[in-house]
Order: sequence, then structure tokens, then C-alpha cells
Amino acid sequence: GNSVTQMEGPVTLSEEAFLTINCTYTATGYPSLFWYVQYPGEGLQLLLKATKADDKGSNKGFEATYRKETTSFHLEKGSVQVSDSAVYFCALSDYNQGGKLIFGQGTELSVKP
Amino acid sequence: DAGVIQSPRHEVTEMGQEVTLRCKPISGHNSLFWYRQTMMRGLELLIYFNNNVPIDDSGMPEDRFSAKMPNASFSTLKIQPSEPRDSAVYFCASSLGRQALSGNTIYFGEGSWLTVV
Repeated sequence: GNSVTQMEGPVTLSEEAFLTINCTYTATGYPSLFWYVQYPGEGLQLLLKATKADDKGSNKGFEATYRKETTSFHLEKGSVQVSDSAVYFCALSDYNQGGKLIFGQGTELSVKP
Repeated sequence: DAGVIQSPRHEVTEMGQEVTLRCKPISGHNSLFWYRQTMMRGLELLIYFNNNVPIDDSGMPEDRFSAKMPNASFSTLKIQPSEPRDSAVYFCASSLGRQALSGNTIYFGEGSWLTVV
């Protein structure tokens, strides 16, 4: 079945450091890929998405490229801020599986000043 | 614009009691989802409605859980009787269109934090 695997957290970085959160997926078809962010005490918010291979999603300085050859959708940001501290979820939706949104386990990011 | 609205935000109840969680989706959205989040199991899709009709309830853990959507602007998730292992954050979400097909964005509420003692 379809699945999403993220790098384990917590990830702790200093402000202005470069961020990479790895995400790989397994899917039977051609999924759409998403990154959601959850700030403490809040619900999930869509951060970015990509619907086909080689698409790059970007938002708020974050970006991720849909790599079909490596089945990956790694999240990157060139310079993190304390306000980026949150839990980040990679997710996929596969038309062949009814479009159900499947989440990875989440990666906690903590940015120190 | 109002987002997905859930109530209550926090609930503490005793084992065996009935719990009802409520959700108002974003106006105009025709798909509604209930998710459960725990440390052990992460985010799990419990049930999904499209045009007020339950489409996929395979994630509902057992008969103690039930969900209804009597109209396009309201849904409930009920647990009866509740057990300590039901303690979790329950999220309601909505989208325009079926699930995340073709990249449809799913919008989440702030969650209902349930503790069963």
C-alpha cells in the first residue's frame, strides 16, 4: 500500500541555518505530494504542494521538488527562523487509492536563537 | 474568512461517558474529514464524507465511534462509551472536491483535545 516516510526528529537548528527534512514515499500510481505544518496547539496548515513529477512547490521560503526517480519530496529552507519551530508532515494523495491523504509520522523542528 | 470550526477545543471526561465532537466545515466545501492524532499512531483518517454521504469509514476504530453529517454545514463525531485509549486530538478538515485528488487543499480545524480519565 501507499506510505510516506519522514526523517525522525526532533531536528534542532540555530537561527539562519539551512534546513532539510527528508521525505520519501511509496505509491502505486502518480500521487500528489504535500507538506503540512502544525504549530504548537494548532491544526495543520498546508505549506506547499506538487501535483506531478519535477514540480516544485514553494511558500514562505520553503520549497520541495517532486522527484519521481527517487520517490522523494524533501523540504528545504535556506535560512530558518525561530518562528519556523513546528511539526512538519509530508503527505501524499493517490488517485488510484481514492485520493485518500496519507501522512508521514511528522518531524519536529526546533529553531534556537 | 472563517476556517473549519471545531468544538469543544478541550474536553476531559470520565471513562464510560458519551463524547460528542462538533465540526462546521468551510462554507462551500463538499468534503469533510475526521482525523485522530496520537503520539503512538500519528495522524489517522477516521472517516470521510462527500456531499454529506460517508464515503470511507474504514478508519473508524470500532463500533463505539460514529459520525454523522446531517447537512453541508455540520458534522459530529461521537464516542460512546469513551475509554482512556480514546484520548487524542481529533481534527476535522474540509476541502472543495473529493479528498486530495488533483492536489485539492484540505483545510484543518484547530482540533478537539480529548482526555478520558
